Amino acid sequence: DVKVTQSSRYLVKRTGEKVFLECVQDMDHENMFWYRQDPGLGLRLIYFSYDVKMKEKGDIPEGYSVSREKKERFSLILESASTNQTSMYLCASSSLISYNEQFFGPGTRLTVL
Amino acid sequence: TQLLEQSPQFLSIQEGENLTVYCNSSSVFSSLQWYRQEPGEGPVLLVTVVTGGEVKKLKRLTFQFGDARKDSSLHITAAQPGDTGLYLCAGVRRDYKLSFGAGTTVTVRA
Repeated sequence: DVKVTQSSRYLVKRTGEKVFLECVQDMDHENMFWYRQDPGLGLRLIYFSYDVKMKEKGDIPEGYSVSREKKERFSLILESASTNQTSMYLCASSSLISYNEQFFGPGTRLTVL
Repeated sequence: TQLLEQSPQFLSIQEGENLTVYCNSSSVFSSLQWYRQEPGEGPVLLVTVVTGGEVKKLKRLTFQFGDARKDSSLHITAAQPGDTGLYLCAGVRRDYKLSFGAGTTVTVRA
């Protein structure tokens, strides 16, 4: 069974902390994505990666960075967490051939105090 | 920028009733997808519609793509409690990224 896993289901951090969210997929997918999901706004793309060490900004990249050192792993980094980054963070992956068929992880609910 | 508008935002119905969820946009998409998300889980892809006017059926769920490829609807016949969830539409943009609607929360009461 295909799987996307995220390192934490719930995370509480303080303003100014550096936060790492990890995502791992076991489907050998080339593409990986980070979204945030907020009530009334749906899912918004933060960053995506189409290959190891390759990344591209999504629609709302400000305040975030990413790292993809291995094909199966895609990390989202909040350099200095702020309260407006409190959200549900979802990771997804897709193959090169079926690029728009995205498989999502269960999400990490991040609260920044 | 919210490119896709979903309506209604919330829907609560009795088991056995029918429901329709709408997804509208002023933009044309190459294809449109519908996802269902259950509490504590990520969205799961239900269907992708590609051709204007296309109708796809998935058991009791019927998906339609508008002729102009700007809108879509999801119709559930004889809803069951297991249909409860957040339904999201997503348009595939020219840059191959997805634009999501805000979602419709469907609750089916037993």
